[in-house]
Amino acid sequence: DADVTQTPRNRITKTGKRIMLECSQTKGHDRMYWYRQDPGLGLRLIYYSFDVKDINKGEISDGYSVSRQAQAKFSLSLESAIPNQTALYFCATSDSGILGRGGYEQYFGPGTRLTVT
Amino acid sequence: GENVEQHPSTLSVQEGDSAVIKCTYSDSASNYFPWYKQELGKRPQLIIDIRSNVGEKKDQRIAVTLNKTAKHFSLHITETQPEDSAVYFCAASTDSGYALNFGKGTSLLVTP
Repeated sequence: DADVTQTPRNRITKTGKRIMLECSQTKGHDRMYWYRQDPGLGLRLIYYSFDVKDINKGEISDGYSVSRQAQAKFSLSLESAIPNQTALYFCATSDSGILGRGGYEQYFGPGTRLTVT
Repeated sequence: GENVEQHPSTLSVQEGDSAVIKCTYSDSASNYFPWYKQELGKRPQLIIDIRSNVGEKKDQRIAVTLNKTAKHFSLHITETQPEDSAVYFCAASTDSGYALNFGKGTSLLVTP
C-alpha cells in the first residue's frame, strides 16, 4: 500500500547511536501507530497518536520516543540504540471513523528492518 | 490491559482442508476483532473483522466467529490453497482505545 511509506527500509547502526525512523501517509488518516515485530512475539505497540496533539505510550515505549510533525508524518526515535532493539518496525494508520461504523482498519507501511550491532 | 492469546503458533494443513485459528481476549470491553494476514516479507493486511454485536461473519472462504461470553473468537479458512500460507494475527480493541492488541501469530502452511 503505497499510501503509507517508511524510510529507511533497512538500517544497520551501532549501539549508542541515535536513530530516527520516519513514516508518511497520504490516506488523510488522523491516527498513526508504531509497532515492532519480533519472531514469535507478534506485533507490539510502541506509541500511537490519535491526532497531532495527542500521543500515547503503547505496550513497549521504554527506549523510544515519537514526534507527530503533521497529520501525515509520525517519526520514531531511538535515542541510544541497543542490540535488543533489533527488529522489524511497522508504521500504521487508521481513520478515526464513526463509532460502530468502521474506521478501525489499520493500514501498514512496508516496514523498516533495523539492526543494532 | 488487554491480553490476546492465539493458538496454535504453527499449523500445517493439506490443500483443500480447513484451517482454524483461535484467539482469546481478557478485556470484556473489547468490541472489535480484526484478523490480519502477513505474507513472507510483506506488511500485515486486514482480511476480515468482526464487531461484538455480530456472532459470525463470512467472506468467501474465510469466516470469523465470536463468543463474547467465553471471550474467544476464531478464524476459519475453508478449501485452503497454497497461497493461504502466511502468518495470521488476531487482534482486539475497545471503542475507547482504537489501539489494537495483537496475538503472537499463527504460521499457516498449506501443502499441495
